[in-house]
Amino acid sequence: KQEVTQIPAALSVPEGENLVLNCSFTDSAIYNLQWFRQDPGKGLTSLLLIQSSQREQTSGRLNASLDKSSGRSTLYIAASQPGDSATYLCAVTPPNDYKLSFGAGTTVTVRA
Amino acid sequence: NAGVMQNPRHLVRRRGQEARLRCSPMKGHSHVYWYRQLPEEGLKFMVYLQKENIIDESGMPKERFSAEFPKEGPSILRIQQVVRGDSAAYFCASSLAVFGPEAFFGQGTRLTVV
Repeated sequence: KQEVTQIPAALSVPEGENLVLNCSFTDSAIYNLQWFRQDPGKGLTSLLLIQSSQREQTSGRLNASLDKSSGRSTLYIAASQPGDSATYLCAVTPPNDYKLSFGAGTTVTVRA
Repeated sequence: NAGVMQNPRHLVRRRGQEARLRCSPMKGHSHVYWYRQLPEEGLKFMVYLQKENIIDESGMPKERFSAEFPKEGPSILRIQQVVRGDSAAYFCASSLAVFGPEAFFGQGTRLTVV
């Protein structure tokens, strides 16, 4: 059974600092890994998706890396802004499956 | 192209009542998934449906919970005789293909049982 862990559970940084969010998974046989953003009381917004054959994806200030062999992914957010305050979730999909296994998330607060 | 639409956004039910949660997938998507997010926990898979078919309900509680995705209209997640432990956020996602690379999520329905 796939277990997805996100550390730390919460993070508070001053504006402008770079953010590093970690996600680890127990079964390296994955189809893809996806990072989501969840704002309080709201839905999930997909940020980045990394296919199993890829090592990283970038979108603007966001960069996500994937190391399947060690079962880890890292989401980097450069030059954080107060608007980046949210909970960030990572989720993995096994090969030939549709069920996403989610971590519990990292709640980020960026202080102005 | 509207995203995944869920309604209501917030639902309050007394213990013993029924809750009906609706989900309209993205245009062109025929695969619908329901997930539940309990307080302080990650999202957990509940059920996967295609039009008029339940494909996988392995994550659904055996009693009181049911789901459907009729030929016409939205997918419905139905919870009968709700209890306090059903209070959670229920999210619907849709995808173009079953093993498609990306699932798109709705805003969720927050159910509170009082």
